[in-house]
Amino acid sequence: SQELEQSPQSLIVQEGKNLTINCTSSKTLYGLYWYKQKYGEGLIFLMMLQKGGEEKSHEKITAKLDEKKQQSSLHITASQPSHAGIYLCGADRSNFGNEKLTFGTGTRLTIIP
Amino acid sequence: SQTIHQWPATLVQPVGSPLSLECTVEGTSNPNLYWYRQAAGRGLQLLFYSVGIGQISSEVPQNLSASRPQDRQFILSSKKLLLSDSGFYLCAWTQGNGNEKLFFGSGTQLSVL
Repeated sequence: SQELEQSPQSLIVQEGKNLTINCTSSKTLYGLYWYKQKYGEGLIFLMMLQKGGEEKSHEKITAKLDEKKQQSSLHITASQPSHAGIYLCGADRSNFGNEKLTFGTGTRLTIIP
Repeated sequence: SQTIHQWPATLVQPVGSPLSLECTVEGTSNPNLYWYRQAAGRGLQLLFYSVGIGQISSEVPQNLSASRPQDRQFILSSKKLLLSDSGFYLCAWTQGNGNEKLFFGSGTQLSVL
């Protein structure tokens, strides 16, 4: 089984609506990263969360980390076509900063007009 | 500013043929370098990482190998490709100072036929 499970696997949302993507870890989280990927392209860093309860925002995207639940959520407010893509969460597998991230399977987000 | 270059963007190779994917980083020194593979329907899988010239760590047993002949150059190779080697390959780097923020290349779509 995957160390990081993302839900949903795919999401179709009407433009202007809000949405949430979840990332749940089967192991202790020492750091959680959110990336966005356009189809067939590299990953773009969105946010990094390192402390339980931490919440960060960038434009209309907000991410939270629940350390106890070993879970992170990514919330997009008033979605736009530019938000479409694949969102991946990545987790640090140790607290030694060894910089080897494990990634989830991704959530494919489609925005319809 | 730092940039990462990965090529080729797409590659179609027959089974049993060799492989060489190249990745270079500019604007930084002594980065940690990574090769990830993204297979269809699966998350990103870390294949190799390197903390310095000639230092390669393999994360999973496979038909591939990696080399780092220069500080900012990372090469992914195979002597004989298998069908299962098909996928999207991503090179990435980190600063190597404990900050796990990964910067990704644009990826190579490899199809083995």
